[in-house]
Amino acid sequence: KAGVTQTPRYLIKTRGQQVTLSCSPISGHRSVSWYQQTPGQGLQFLFEYFSETQRNKGNFPGRFSGRQFSNSRSEMNVSTLELGDSALYLCASRGLNSYEQYFGPGTRLTVT
Amino acid sequence: AQTVTQSQPEMSVQEAETVTLSCTYDTSENNYYLFWYKQPPSRQMILVIRQEAYKQQNATENRFSVNFQKAAKSFSLKISDSQLGDTAMYFCAFVQTSGSRLTFGEGTQLTVNP
Repeated sequence: KAGVTQTPRYLIKTRGQQVTLSCSPISGHRSVSWYQQTPGQGLQFLFEYFSETQRNKGNFPGRFSGRQFSNSRSEMNVSTLELGDSALYLCASRGLNSYEQYFGPGTRLTVT
Repeated sequence: AQTVTQSQPEMSVQEAETVTLSCTYDTSENNYYLFWYKQPPSRQMILVIRQEAYKQQNATENRFSVNFQKAAKSFSLKISDSQLGDTAMYFCAFVQTSGSRLTFGEGTQLTVNP
């Protein structure tokens, strides 16, 4: 089985712009979660999508949003980028009735 | 709210030796899962081992084993016969069975020296 894939792998944006990150889960997995990793805050949960519905949301401002498509692929959008949004964004998928989350390689976002 | 604490920011071990990484957690839940993830320099987060809270038997995966002490809320990872490829950041993580949000510790940077 192919693993979780994320595109793009690297991204450089300017303050004020918006960005969309994409995540394709492992085949058959319907749950996709997003995490932000920074040196200062560590790994923080952003949100989880299951069957196109947001099931859980972390403590992030409304500039961070996401969605999931019928094929379980998920996108994450950040609007009005701030310097502090520079981070590694990881997505993870899990199967039904499983608590193990499998991570993609991440998207490194740099905001200048 | 759940919290996970890893009190060792950095550790080092000689190749072929054994090392133990510590993790404590705090929760009022009774049903949950604990994990150890490894993040090498490539930044790919890799699941190493998992433990169900309802199981008393400690999980083992080849050279990796855990010491799960539920009453003490402790979940340490033992790596036997350390290899150079074990060099990575190791994260302890918690998820309650009623949810899906992983709560991570701060991480322990392990360096295996030749």
